[in-house]
Amino acid sequence: DVKVTQSSRYLVKRTGEKVFLECVQDMDHENMFWYRQDPGLGLRLIYFSYDVKMKEKGDIPEGYSVSREKKERFSLILESASTNQTSMYLCASNGTPGFSPLHFGNGTRLTVT
Amino acid sequence: DQQVKQNSPSLSVQEGRISILNCDYTNSMFDYFLWYKKYPAEGPTFLISISSIKDKNEDGRFTVFLNKSAKHLSLHIVPSQPGDSAVYFCGLDSNYQLIWGAGTKLIIKP
Repeated sequence: DVKVTQSSRYLVKRTGEKVFLECVQDMDHENMFWYRQDPGLGLRLIYFSYDVKMKEKGDIPEGYSVSREKKERFSLILESASTNQTSMYLCASNGTPGFSPLHFGNGTRLTVT
Repeated sequence: DQQVKQNSPSLSVQEGRISILNCDYTNSMFDYFLWYKKYPAEGPTFLISISSIKDKNEDGRFTVFLNKSAKHLSLHIVPSQPGDSAVYFCGLDSNYQLIWGAGTKLIIKP
C-alpha cells in the first residue's frame, strides 16, 4: 500500500517566517505534487516534480518554492509566510508511465498569524 | 475561467437512496476522469476513474458515467451509506496533469 507521509498535521507560524513542509513517499514514485485546498476553490497545484532535482510551477507558485534532492522526498518552502497562505497543504505522488491515480498524504493545516 | 465545475457545493441524501454527484467541463482534451473522496483532516483518496473512450465504469456501489457530447461526468452511489458522507472531487487528467473541481460535500442522512 502506498504511503505518503507529511511531517506535520498542524502548524502555526508567524508572518514573515520561513516555513518548511516535508513530504515522503515509499513507493518509488517518479512524480510528486504539492497542492493547497481552500473551501470553494478545490485543489490548486502549487508545484510538481517529475524527477530528482527537477521542478515545475503549477497554477499558484507565487510565494512558494520546492526542493527535491531525493526521489522519495519533496519539500515545500514558504520563503516568507503571509496570512493568505493559511490553508490545508496536500502532498501527492504517482508513478509513470501511463495513467496512475494520485496518492495523497493526510495534509498539513498551516495557520499564519 | 474554470475548466471544471461542480455546481453543487453540497448534497443531502437519505441513507439507502441514490447519490448523484455531477461535474461539468469545458474542453475535450482530457484522457481520464477521476473521482476522489475526502474526509475531514485526511487527504483525498482515489475512488473510481473512467477513460475518455468509455461511457461507464462500475465498481461495487460506485458507477461513473461520462457523456462526452455534453461534457458531463457523474458519480452514482447506490445505496448510499453513512460512511459515504465526505467531500467528493472530480479530477480531469490531461497529459498527467489533473484539473480539479471545487468539490461537493455529500451528507447521508440516517
